[in-house]
Amino acid sequence: DAGVIQSPRHEVTEMGQEVTLRCKPISGHNSLFWYRQTMMRGLELLIYFNNNVPIDDSGMPEDRFSAKMPNASFSTLKIQPSEPRDSAVYFCASSQTRWETQYFGPGTRLLVL
Amino acid sequence: AQKVTQAQTEISVVEKEDVTLDCVYETRDTTYYLFWYKQPPSGELVFLIRRNSFDEQNEISGRYSWNFQKSTSSFNFTITASQVVDSAVYFCALNSGTASKLTFGTGTRLQVTL
Repeated sequence: DAGVIQSPRHEVTEMGQEVTLRCKPISGHNSLFWYRQTMMRGLELLIYFNNNVPIDDSGMPEDRFSAKMPNASFSTLKIQPSEPRDSAVYFCASSQTRWETQYFGPGTRLLVL
Repeated sequence: AQKVTQAQTEISVVEKEDVTLDCVYETRDTTYYLFWYKQPPSGELVFLIRRNSFDEQNEISGRYSWNFQKSTSSFNFTITASQVVDSAVYFCALNSGTASKLTFGTGTRLQVTL
């Protein structure tokens, strides 16, 4: 299996620009999670989907962040407009069910200047 | 609410030493799952183990072993005969019934030197 795939791996952008992060979960997994990792806050869950439906988005920082899962094999996390404080590593993870082991993608390292 | 505490921020050992990473968790749920993940310098998060709340058997996998004790709400991780390749940040995580999402500890950075 290819594992969770994320793109891009690195993104450098300027404040105010729109950023779109992409994720392809492991085939057959029904739950998908977006996490953010920073030095200050550690690993924090932003949102998770079950069967393509957003279940808990309480971790989404503010309205500038949005996430979609149009089908079982693709999800996006969008930041518009981006700010320097959004700089972080964003991980996507998937699992067969929300109780099973979450497998993480390689992450997208985002730098907003 | 669920919480995971990894009190050890950083540990340094010399190769071949044994090292134990501590993890203490809090949850009111009777059904929950505990995990350990490894994050090497390359940055990816690698799954190591998953344990459910009804299984208190200790587990050994090669040089790795885990000690789960519900009485003290701990899920400690021991590396025997550590190697330089074990250098990484190790995260303990909890997924409990009502929250149904992973809560991570702050991680323990392990540095193994020659």
